[in-house]
Amino acid sequence: NAGVTQTPKFQVLKTGQSMTLQCAQDMNHEYMSWYRQDPGMGLRLIHYSVGAGITDQGEVPNGYNVSRSTTEDFPLRLLSAAPSQTSVYFCASSSSYRTGPSGELFFGEGSRLTVL
Amino acid sequence: RKEVEQDPGPFNVPEGATVAFNCTYSNSASQSFFWYRQDCRKEPKLLMSVYSSGNEDGRFTAQLNRASQYISLLIRDSKLSDSATYLCVVNMGWGTDKLIFGTGTRLQVFP
Repeated sequence: NAGVTQTPKFQVLKTGQSMTLQCAQDMNHEYMSWYRQDPGMGLRLIHYSVGAGITDQGEVPNGYNVSRSTTEDFPLRLLSAAPSQTSVYFCASSSSYRTGPSGELFFGEGSRLTVL
Repeated sequence: RKEVEQDPGPFNVPEGATVAFNCTYSNSASQSFFWYRQDCRKEPKLLMSVYSSGNEDGRFTAQLNRASQYISLLIRDSKLSDSATYLCVVNMGWGTDKLIFGTGTRLQVFP
């Protein structure tokens, strides 16, 4: 079973470049989210979506865009990469109850991004 | 104050020991609480949900104290395979879909 698939697994960018991290899930989950993980900071929520056509900001949204045109896909776009965006990025999905995600987030394997 | 706080550790314990972690949260309206486990350079995975009445899963016990706004995780009879980082996760209250993670507590079990 595929679960949550993230691509690419590794990427090196130069400052100012743009790129898109892809995320796809095959579990028909309504809820999808992006986190970044940095040493000493833990996982921080960037953006999330509760269904196709609906997105919202998390704790650290600046410098990132998202869209949710289908239930399966939730790409994360870096518009103009900065060294501060060097991090490990995780996409996660969950079935969603009315008051929020069910709690069991299924994570992708992560994307390690370095911005020089 | 951070929304979810944990002692980063590391907690170094021998096999067979009992170890407990606490996690405090700032939003009194929070309704859902979880413990996740993350192995080195891997993605987090759900360990257990935390219910108001407390819950147990084998060697693991999770408890919630709403009055003091903290949750706890107790691991009994520690195994080498329990070595990992344990992440506290809290839903930020009714009507919100944000799950906020603590920075994690690292556990190292030695022979």
